[in-house]
Amino acid sequence: AQTVTQSQPEMSVQEAETVTLSCTYDTSESDYYLFWYKQPPSRQMILVIRQEAYKQQNATENRFSVNFQKAAKSFSLKISDSQLGDAAMYFCAYTRGNEKLTFGTGTRLTIIP
Amino acid sequence: DARVTQTPRHKVTEMGQEVTMRCQPILGHNTVFWYRQTMMQGLELLAYFRNRAPLDDSGMPKDRFSAEMPDATLATLKIQPSEPRDSAVYFCASGLVRGDTQYFGPGTRLTVL
Repeated sequence: AQTVTQSQPEMSVQEAETVTLSCTYDTSESDYYLFWYKQPPSRQMILVIRQEAYKQQNATENRFSVNFQKAAKSFSLKISDSQLGDAAMYFCAYTRGNEKLTFGTGTRLTIIP
Repeated sequence: DARVTQTPRHKVTEMGQEVTMRCQPILGHNTVFWYRQTMMQGLELLAYFRNRAPLDDSGMPKDRFSAEMPDATLATLKIQPSEPRDSAVYFCASGLVRGDTQYFGPGTRLTVL
């Protein structure tokens, strides 16, 4: 069974600084998809970034980028120029494709003004 | 701006009562997922449908939970009878094709007294 591990329950970063959230996963598949979702206090699950495993290029979305290491089964999220609105729970998730998402336990990110 | 809608947003009920949660997926999406979020278990899949047919409901307690898609624009999740341990946030999500992003609704926060 696929598993997703987020080893950092909480992280904090100074406003305008850079922070990296870690995620590792376990799968025997070669074709799959990885996501980072953000959950602010409103509870809404918001897509941050998506990575296709067959693409070697790391995905980027404005201030958010990933470091995808397929051999190491690692998928970390880097947030540059952190803003107060980035404060939230961040979930790493895995899917083989149009099937269920398997989530990690989440990392709570605090932004220090 | 297409989005998944869920009703009700909040529900407080007494043990033993029936609870019905509704979801309207994004128009055109052919796959609908029901997830439950609790502090203890995190985010876990309850059931999902593709083209209105149930594909996986292994995460759902069969004796009290049921999920249906009466038509392409409506998915329902029912709990009968409800129990205090069912207290959680229930999310509906929809997606279109393999590997596509799952878009989440705002969730239904259920409290069973």
